[in-house]
Amino acid sequence: QVQLQESGPGLVKPSETLSLTCAVSGASIVSYYWAWIRQPPGKGLEWIGYFRYSGDSRYNPSLQSRVTVSVDTSRSQLSLNLNSVTAADTAVYYCARYFQLGGRHYMDVWGKGTTVTVSS
Amino acid sequence: EIVLTQSPATLSLSPGERATLSCRASQSVSSFLAWYQQRPGQAPRLLIYDASNRATGIPARFSGSGSGTDFTLTISSLEPEDFAVYYCQQRNNWPETFGQGTKVEIK
Repeated sequence: QVQLQESGPGLVKPSETLSLTCAVSGASIVSYYWAWIRQPPGKGLEWIGYFRYSGDSRYNPSLQSRVTVSVDTSRSQLSLNLNSVTAADTAVYYCARYFQLGGRHYMDVWGKGTTVTVSS
Repeated sequence: EIVLTQSPATLSLSPGERATLSCRASQSVSSFLAWYQQRPGQAPRLLIYDASNRATGIPARFSGSGSGTDFTLTISSLEPEDFAVYYCQQRNNWPETFGQGTKVEIK
């Protein structure tokens, strides 16, 4: 059973860097594409980007200049760094796995999410 | 960027009734569209992929249809656990995008 668990600081100050991790269990971290998605309070879902251990990645153009992701195979963890944060980055952040279904990969397993608040 | 517009924003129905949710794309996404369900306080769950295929473990009362720019998610008979927010998502063009969601609430 594939499980994903996000973790992070909860509170980040404006202009600083948000750093999150996603622990992966039940699946080989090098075998899949992975995603980060976020959801501001009371709003809809925003795709941040997808990436793979091989280096293949794409990000939302609106966030691309501030996003860095990585894969730690020794710890089976994914990481997300988002720099120069503002209050607009306050959201629940989810990691998810892409799985080949039909003609595309779709996000079939999601973590429970971690809440990040940007405030001084 | 492809914009997905979901309607209605809110659907007020009773258990046992049929729910019909719409997702319209600003340009063709072929059939590469998914539907997700999000219950309060939970992560989204994949319901439908490639517009009309149910994901593993999804009950048969959920069905999807459409192609190109117009898509529909139908719940044939609402169960109490189906009252939630539903999002469509396209995977035909980068960046992938979500609709703004339709809330199915108890009437």
